[in-house]
Amino acid sequence: EAQVTQNPRYLITVTGKKLTVTCSQNMNHEYMSWYRQDPGLGLRQIYYSMNVEVTDKGDVPEGYKVSRKEKRNFPLILESPSPNQTSLYFCASTSRGRGNTEAFFGQGTRLTVV
Amino acid sequence: AQSVTQLGSHVSVSEGALVLLRCNYSSSVPPYLFWYVQYPNQGLQLLLKYTSAATLVKGINGFEAEFKKSETSFHLTKPSAHMSDAAEYFCAVSPHQTGANNLFFGTGTRLTVIP
Repeated sequence: EAQVTQNPRYLITVTGKKLTVTCSQNMNHEYMSWYRQDPGLGLRQIYYSMNVEVTDKGDVPEGYKVSRKEKRNFPLILESPSPNQTSLYFCASTSRGRGNTEAFFGQGTRLTVV
Repeated sequence: AQSVTQLGSHVSVSEGALVLLRCNYSSSVPPYLFWYVQYPNQGLQLLLKYTSAATLVKGINGFEAEFKKSETSFHLTKPSAHMSDAAEYFCAVSPHQTGANNLFFGTGTRLTVIP
């Protein structure tokens, strides 16, 4: 089954404690992205990757890092989480191409930073 | 710059009534447009997309949307609402050159279906 898998689904952490949210896709997609969803703001792109070792900033990259060492994995790293990073996070993957593509989303990771 | 505006953060309809969710986009060139649905505690699922082919796009679950360039709109409709349609709906736009790889989302519309 084609899917994007995020872990963990829920995470509560303390300010300043480094954490990693993992994302893996089994569709051999070139493109992967991270979004955060906040009430009243919709989803905003944090980072995206067009291929292995190729990443770029989205709209809200501050406080986040990513890496793309393998095609299937795209972890999101918060080096020093702060309460304003409390949010619902989604990973997405997309096949290469332009409009004739579809972004597949993971189930989401609800992060609370206290 | 790409952006979308969804009018109405909450919409309520009776079961069997017409569903109309509004989306207007801002783009210097005709973009690609998408509607996604999010059910509680789930990720986003693609309902339909416009990629410069037919202006009337049919999606899953009986939804459709019409691209109107003159109005810069891409409203989502369904003739008859079902209880299972209760969810949050997001309109999204992407630049032509990157497609669904870089999505700019609206703020979402929560649809409530009244029995």
